[in-house]
Amino acid sequence: NAGVTQTPKFQVLKTGQSMTLQCAQDMNHNSMYWYRQDPGMGLRLIYYSASEGTTDKGEVPNGYNVSRLNKREFSLRLESAAPSQTSVYFCASSEATIYEQYFGPGTRLTVT
Amino acid sequence: RKEVEQDPGPFNVPEGATVAFNCTYSNSASQSFFWYRQDCRKEPKLLMSVYSSGNEDGRFTAQLNRASQYISLLIRDSKLSDSATYLCVVNRAGGYNKLIFGAGTRLAVHP
Repeated sequence: NAGVTQTPKFQVLKTGQSMTLQCAQDMNHNSMYWYRQDPGMGLRLIYYSASEGTTDKGEVPNGYNVSRLNKREFSLRLESAAPSQTSVYFCASSEATIYEQYFGPGTRLTVT
Repeated sequence: RKEVEQDPGPFNVPEGATVAFNCTYSNSASQSFFWYRQDCRKEPKLLMSVYSSGNEDGRFTAQLNRASQYISLLIRDSKLSDSATYLCVVNRAGGYNKLIFGAGTRLAVHP
């Protein structure tokens, strides 16, 4: 039982490049989330998926897109990376949006 | 006003000390409350849920005060391994319920 897994763990991109961050959970959770965390700041919600087939914007959605591929997988895409997107990205899942969330180990992204 | 506010600290305490953190929230209709722990450069991990009657898990005690809209975390007999950032988490009631994470309180326990 791996919980929440994320790939890659580290990534360096040049400005303008695109990439997709992958997230998968094996807890049969309905809801999944993408957060970013910058130094000295709290978690900021980028997008979430309350249930399979739905996605909604969080606090900071600009520059990102998401896909809820199936119940297990939720990906985050940066279409044209910018230095302001340098951050640590965490994926999380929960049984429902009101319940406690479980986090993946994070992806450390640097955009130069 | 932020939806969830915490003192960022750091709280520097010696081993064996008792330390308490408070967190205030703005939405009186909030129903779910949690404390998470985050170690440096790691993911947040659930420490404990906070129930209306208060709850205890070993050296950790969580309390909820609905009238004043705050939750607290008490750590007794602090260990070096308790050094971390503690995140207060509250659900945003109304519409789609979502959890709102505070920015965290940093605790440093020294020998």
